[in-house]
Amino acid sequence: EVQLVESGGGLVQPGRSLRLSCAASGFSFDEYAMHWVRQAPGKGLEWVSGIGWNSVSIGYADSAKGRFTISRDNAKSSLYLQLSSLRAEDTALYYCAKVVGTYCSGSSCRLFEHWGQGTLVTVSS
Amino acid sequence: IQMTQSPSSLSASVGDRVTITCRASPGISGYLNWYQQKPGKAPKLLIYAASSLHGGVPSRFSGSGSGTDFTLTISSLQPEDSATYYCQQSYSTPLTFGGGTKVAIK
Repeated sequence: EVQLVESGGGLVQPGRSLRLSCAASGFSFDEYAMHWVRQAPGKGLEWVSGIGWNSVSIGYADSAKGRFTISRDNAKSSLYLQLSSLRAEDTALYYCAKVVGTYCSGSSCRLFEHWGQGTLVTVSS
Repeated sequence: IQMTQSPSSLSASVGDRVTITCRASPGISGYLNWYQQKPGKAPKLLIYAASSLHGGVPSRFSGSGSGTDFTLTISSLQPEDSATYYCQQSYSTPLTFGGGTKVAIK
């Protein structure tokens, strides 16, 4: 059974940093692209960042560029998101998501099949 | 790519046919996916590539469209279909979602 468990969220002051983690199990992590998607309280879904199975392909939303860094450790079956220069508008539930197919290419790398339950980041002074 | 869903909410009776619309600007060929999210839960993939049903999804769900206009149809609404539905384009990054359609049961 595919399991994605996010951690690392919490209350943080504006301008500070936080590192989110996603522990994966139940599948061959090193064969799948992964993504982070967030949801502000009571709002819709917003894609944040994605990374290819071998870390070669990486993308960010405009809201994340220059402040967030996605990475992965295939040996540990873990996905990470380093959040820096945090703002109040970054307050959200952050989900990690696994794509549909192995060694994906093109649009199949951008389709989310499995999601974790999320970790809540609250940016407030 | 801007994704616009309508309506933002609707209320229908059990057994009704429900249609949700998603418009993409600019066009995205058939690279459109639909997700269902229930309160306090993570989203679930329903339909990918505009009209392909994901495994395990009931056949009352269907999708259609291409280019700029897409629809998600629930042929016979069930109580467990009460949820918020999101479209998402997988044509290009940055990936974008529609604003969501909240479906309630009368």
